[in-house]
Formats: sequence, C-alpha cells, structure tokens
Amino acid sequence: SQQGEEDPQALSIQEGENATMNCSYKTSINNLQWYRQNSGRGLVHLILIRSNEREKHSGRLRVTLDTSKKSSSLLITASRAADTASYFCATDHGGQNFVFGPGTRLSVLP
Amino acid sequence: GAGVSQTPSNKVTEKGKYVELRCDPISGHTALYWYRQSLGQGPEFLIYFQGTGAADDSGLPNDRFFAVRPEGSVSTLKIQRTERGDSAVYLCASSLMSGPRNGETQYFGPGTRLLVL
Repeated sequence: SQQGEEDPQALSIQEGENATMNCSYKTSINNLQWYRQNSGRGLVHLILIRSNEREKHSGRLRVTLDTSKKSSSLLITASRAADTASYFCATDHGGQNFVFGPGTRLSVLP
Repeated sequence: GAGVSQTPSNKVTEKGKYVELRCDPISGHTALYWYRQSLGQGPEFLIYFQGTGAADDSGLPNDRFFAVRPEGSVSTLKIQRTERGDSAVYLCASSLMSGPRNGETQYFGPGTRLLVL
C-alpha cells in the first residue's frame, strides 16, 4: 500500500492564485520530498524536508511538515500556467526505498 | 551523461513475451531505482540498487520481474512472460550516493512506456 496520500486529487485555479496541496503518510519517516511531473515526462525534484524540520522555502514554494499529524503541505504562491502538472509527495520507507502518493493534478488557468 | 536516459522510449509486445528495459543513470551515481507508474497513479517502487547489488527488491511484484546492474552503472529490468497488467510506464531514477534515508535527490529518466497486447 502507498505510504503517502495527497489531497486534493485535482485542483484548478487561476493564474496568480496560490495553490495548496496536502500529503499524509502512515509510518515514521526520515524525510519527505515533493516532486513535479509534467504530462508524459519524468519527475523533477522540487524540495526536501527532513523529519526534524517544520518549514522550508524555495522560491515560490513553501513546504511544511507536521510529524505529529503525519502530514505535509506544499504551497505554490503566485501560480503560473507553467505550474500546471501533477505533484507527488515521496517518503522514505524504513530508509530503504521511497514511497510516492497518487498525486495532485494541478491546472493553472491563464 | 547529462541526465538519466531510458531505452526504448516505447515498447509494444504480446502477452507471454520477454522484454528488457534499459536505464543509463547519471555518470557517477551509485544509487539506482526502478519504479512502475500506471495512468493517474504515483510511481510504485520496484527495486533499489546501491552499486552492483540490490539493496531492496521488495517492490518487485513477482518472480517474472528481475533487474541487474552488473557493473554498477547501466541497469536492465527484465520481465518474463509478460501479462496485460504489466502495461505501464517504467521509470528509472538515480542519485549520487546515499539513498533514501538521507533524502538524496533522485533524478528521473523519461520512462519506457510498455504496452502488452
């Protein structure tokens, strides 16, 4: 079974708005990563947050981690049409492999 | 190389046939991962190599699936007696050294789209 679960499954917003995606997981982790996948292409790493961190920023991205709730959120500010993609969270699973959630499909309308 | 490459980009085969999918990781990366991704789903872990050895093969669905990395660089995923349910995109990723526990960035290839008729 998958470790991570993102919600919402799909999100449609206007350009300039903020997009928030959430990820929940089941067991303890060492780190959590967010990836982006454009249609028909490979995944691209966005940001990593470790289990002892609560928040990280990278450009227009902000990630939070709440280990007590076993959840993370990804915020994309001032969204652009080019942000249209699927977003996945991935957690290390016992440190031996990565487990991805089913993803959030984000559509940013011009 | 400049990035992770995978060949072929597309593979169509008949049920029961044998297929091999190839992954060329970024030069110098010791960790290599194989995933399978079905339409509308996230990548599903198959196997993780550290160098030449499989550090974790717990994701391989059954004994029809096998992967090798004999020289610690190129890897081949082999599927015997293919079934229609094996149809998916097979993704390969590599990372520099230390693997999942340290959260090392994975660099993904574009994938091989396998269709079993």
